Amino acid sequence: QVQLGQSGGGVVQPGGSLRLSCAASKFTFSTYAMDWVRQTPDKGLEWVAAISFDGGDKYYADSVKGRFTISRDNSKNILYLEMNNLRPEDTAMYFCARDRGRTPKYYFDYWGQGALVTVSP
Amino acid sequence: DIQMTQSPSSLSASIGDRVSITCRASQNINYYLNWYQQKPGKAPKLLIYYISNLQSGVPSRFSGSGSGTDFTLTISGLQPEDFATYYCQESDSFPWTFGQGTTVDMK
Repeated sequence: QVQLGQSGGGVVQPGGSLRLSCAASKFTFSTYAMDWVRQTPDKGLEWVAAISFDGGDKYYADSVKGRFTISRDNSKNILYLEMNNLRPEDTAMYFCARDRGRTPKYYFDYWGQGALVTVSP
Repeated sequence: DIQMTQSPSSLSASIGDRVSITCRASQNINYYLNWYQQKPGKAPKLLIYYISNLQSGVPSRFSGSGSGTDFTLTISGLQPEDFATYYCQESDSFPWTFGQGTTVDMK
């Protein structure tokens, strides 16, 4: 059964940085696109970023463009989200999700358990 | 960005009821419409992809229909484990967007 194990959440001050990780197992990680999706009670589910199977193509929501970086290490089966210049409105539960195809265009068929990021003074 | 509007925002139903949730896109999204179920404290779970395709392991009481901009998720014979929040999501164009969710609770 596909597994996505997340780590790296926490509390950070505005302007600070945090890196989320998503460790994949029980599937061939290097053949799937991957995404990050966040959720807040107010705004609901919000797609954040996507990366193609080989890391060659990356896509970002306007709200995080220039501050967040999605990346992957296919040799370690890990997906990352580097978050810089964090703002209070970035406070959310962050989920990694597997995209069904090699490029981000399909649907999220498996999700990680989530990592809570809180941006507060 | 494409706006996804679900209705109703919440509904109350009984075991065995037939439940329908609608999702409207602000523009034509072809067949790129997916449905997820989320229970409190858990990650969303894929139910249906591309309007009407049941994800492996999802009970056949779940079904999807629609085209273009208007879509429906139907649960035929609500079961206790179906009380949850349901989201539609488009994957036609970036940024992918979700509906605001429909919570199904017990009447």
